[in-house]
Amino acid sequence: DAGITQSPRHKVTETGTPVTLRCHQTENHRYMYWYRQDPGHGLRLIHYSYGVKDTDKGEVSDGYSVSRSKTEDFLLTLESATSSQTSVYFCAISGQGGQNGYTFGSGTRLTVV
Amino acid sequence: RKEVEQDPGPFNVPEGATVAFNCTYSNSASQSFFWYRQDCRKEPKLLMSVYSSGNEDGRFTAQLNRASQYISLLIRDSKLSDSATYLCVVNGGNNDMRFGAGTRLTVKP
Repeated sequence: DAGITQSPRHKVTETGTPVTLRCHQTENHRYMYWYRQDPGHGLRLIHYSYGVKDTDKGEVSDGYSVSRSKTEDFLLTLESATSSQTSVYFCAISGQGGQNGYTFGSGTRLTVV
Repeated sequence: RKEVEQDPGPFNVPEGATVAFNCTYSNSASQSFFWYRQDCRKEPKLLMSVYSSGNEDGRFTAQLNRASQYISLLIRDSKLSDSATYLCVVNGGNNDMRFGAGTRLTVKP
């Protein structure tokens, strides 16, 4: 399996608190992505990175920030968690910007109460 | 209108049946196409890429019709282990990967 891990796997947090999710890869891929998955919606892109310190917004970026200080790590931060951010978050990696598809991490199930 | 649309199902079929899923996409400039499989509470995993000429991988056949902006996945001789949600994925280029909401398949004995 591709070397991509997410942590934590599950988290429950309170409204208004900051939360950071971590994605770690050992594939040395240039591109990394954060998606959220909600019932009735396809996976929706939050932010992505095309290199160290190079990031860009996706379709649903409001309320989220990201950082990539090393090739292998891509962090997603919910600055002040809200109940609407309860979701399953997936990290993905790609060496070719999507031409050969993405490989996903196992996901983080986040509940904001 | 959603960028990628799929029939949500569920499709309930007996073992050995042939089942087909369809998907339409709105971005005519899309460059590459995929089918992913997602098991319950798991991550999506690449099932197969979809090429203009159509492609086959064992019991699975994928087809692309660029003129109609339509993708299909055919599963022959369904197995219990094929039960999953199948995601249609379209790459519009420049990291613009769009996912359908998925079609759920249950194969019953």
